[in-house]
Amino acid sequence: FMLTQPHSVSESPGKTVTISCTRSSDSIGDSFVQWYQQRPGSAPTAIIYEDNQRASGVPGRFSASIDRSSNSASLTISPLQTEDEADYYCQSYDGTSWVFGGGTKLAVL
Amino acid sequence: QEQLVESGGGVVQPGRSLRLSCVASDFTFNYGIHWVRQAPGKGLEWVAFISDDGATQHFADSVKGRFTISRDNSKDTVYLQMSGVSPADTAMYFCARYVVGVKGGYYFDLWGQGTLVTVSS
Repeated sequence: FMLTQPHSVSESPGKTVTISCTRSSDSIGDSFVQWYQQRPGSAPTAIIYEDNQRASGVPGRFSASIDRSSNSASLTISPLQTEDEADYYCQSYDGTSWVFGGGTKLAVL
Repeated sequence: QEQLVESGGGVVQPGRSLRLSCVASDFTFNYGIHWVRQAPGKGLEWVAFISDDGATQHFADSVKGRFTISRDNSKDTVYLQMSGVSPADTAMYFCARYVVGVKGGYYFDLWGQGTLVTVSS
């Protein structure tokens, strides 16, 4: 299966942004979805695991959910801060392979 | 401080081999470990997985039959042996620790800084 994300999103500081991640086949609920943040020149870090659990040290501004009707997951950041400017990747698995979305570049203008 | 440190990257000619290492420090090395790569300017691509005891291994279709993964728990190290490399294998290679979450799922909670592999003649 594939996970499809928007290539880029942009929003102003203090606002709310939502990044989507759509699963191409089978149900989004079949396996947990994770979200990773990657700042330029750095390794990825986990921000959300098991659909909606914040990783250790991640502020409450980050939240996530899945929507079975649209077969997608979403990551919401509110309120946005300039330091949130980064690439965001969703990720899931099918038991023997792990799949990443193509990544979304978030610009905080 | 818990960390993973990759090494072994460099410039390698097409068709040759290279072995990457991922060394863990400051934590008990009883976790599954993944390799994930990122081509220049591109997104993340999962490459391979090895379980904590080495008994279970999985590979992406793009590397199956060319890459192998192994571990030496006495040295807190996981290896990625790359053979028959091509320019498409040019990427930063990250190793990542695979841990269980509160609902019984798993995720990559700790990543190394990566080692760069460039395949070029």
